[in-house]
Amino acid sequence: AQTVTQSQPEMSVQEAETVTLSCTYDTSESDYYLFWYKQPPSRQMILVIRQEAYKQQNATENRFSVNFQKAAKSFSLKISDSQLGDAAMYFCAYRRGGATNKLIFGTGTLLAVQP
Amino acid sequence: DAMVIQNPRYQVTQFGKPVTLSCSQTLNHNVMYWYQQKSSQAPKLLFHYYDKDFNNEADTPDNFQSRRPNTSFCFLDIRSPGLGDAAMYLCATSRQVRVNEKLFFGSGTQLSVL
Repeated sequence: AQTVTQSQPEMSVQEAETVTLSCTYDTSESDYYLFWYKQPPSRQMILVIRQEAYKQQNATENRFSVNFQKAAKSFSLKISDSQLGDAAMYFCAYRRGGATNKLIFGTGTLLAVQP
Repeated sequence: DAMVIQNPRYQVTQFGKPVTLSCSQTLNHNVMYWYQQKSSQAPKLLFHYYDKDFNNEADTPDNFQSRRPNTSFCFLDIRSPGLGDAAMYLCATSRQVRVNEKLFFGSGTQLSVL
């Protein structure tokens, strides 16, 4: 069975600084997608970034980027120039390739941004 | 404008008293999902509808049921809530079931069981 592990329950970063959130996963599949979701206090889960496993190039979305290490099954999220609005719970998630829909989430990392 | 709407935001029920949570969408998406998110735990998929086809996860308790009367609405029914069912319930939608489809989430309903 696939599992997703986020070993950092809480993280803190100063405004304008950079922070990296860790995620590891376990799977025997070769075709899959990985995601980072943000859940702010409003509770609505918002997609931050996604990575297709077959792509070697790390995904980037503005201030958000990932470090995808397929062999190590590691998928970390880097947030550059942190802003107060980045404060939220961040979930790493896995989705198997093919005609499937199930997202498997990690337990989340609560990010605080200090002014 | 909200695209996936969950009502109510907070729901309190009594132990054993049936409760229904609702989700509506304005996206005309084919797929609707229900996730359970307990405190400090990962969100967990309970089931999903692809159009009118219901797909239950193997480990979802029988106590949880769902209805989708039309494309826009989906309901989560908990027949006899226990204390362990207190959680955030998240509804999500996607156009299709394909792995690269983006999911759109509602803001959740926080269920308390007294």
